Amino acid sequence: SQQGEEDPQALSIQEGENATMNCSYKTSINNLQWYRQNSGRGLVHLILIRSNEREKHSGRLRVTLDTSKKSSSLLITASRAADTASYFCAPSGNTGKLIFGQGTTLQVKP
Amino acid sequence: DAGITQSPRHKVTETGTPVTLRCHQTENHRYMYWYRQDPGHGLRLIHYSYGVKDTDKGEVSDGYSVSRSKTEDFLLTLESATSSQTSVYFCAISESTDPNEKLFFGSGTQLSVL
Repeated sequence: SQQGEEDPQALSIQEGENATMNCSYKTSINNLQWYRQNSGRGLVHLILIRSNEREKHSGRLRVTLDTSKKSSSLLITASRAADTASYFCAPSGNTGKLIFGQGTTLQVKP
Repeated sequence: DAGITQSPRHKVTETGTPVTLRCHQTENHRYMYWYRQDPGHGLRLIHYSYGVKDTDKGEVSDGYSVSRSKTEDFLLTLESATSSQTSVYFCAISESTDPNEKLFFGSGTQLSVL
């Protein structure tokens, strides 16, 4: 299966702290993507990292990819209450479809 | 951003009735997807489409059919709804020329089968 598994399932932090979420997968990939879902809404694409990249930044987001360990991490720095959401990773291979895991639920307390 | 409209936004139906959900996009994107989201299961892919009249099954396609007769519309049909199909259904399109990249999701349809 190409599905990613996010860890932890739930994370609660104070505003201003950093949040780190991890993703593990089992098959070879072309890229890995992270998405955010606010309660009651559709998923929003955050960032894509290709298999030949090790690290990528977008604003307060930092994504790393270790293809030898088949793992990725998403770091949100200086978190805000508005970052409260569920976060999903989606490893992407050659199957033509994205399979999502159950996500990490992040709560940022003001 | 791609413009995706899902209709209806909410629907309550009875077991055994047919139900069709519609996904409409305004940007002529080639790749479209239907997912369902349930507590404890995350998002699961039902069917997807690579273009007009080009569709394929996802992880949980049993009990569902799809049609894509126009680029802009991707229809999901539950031929005979069951209570296990109570879920939130999301349509998505790929904003990239690669089908695996940068999905953009609609706002979802909450379906309740009683």
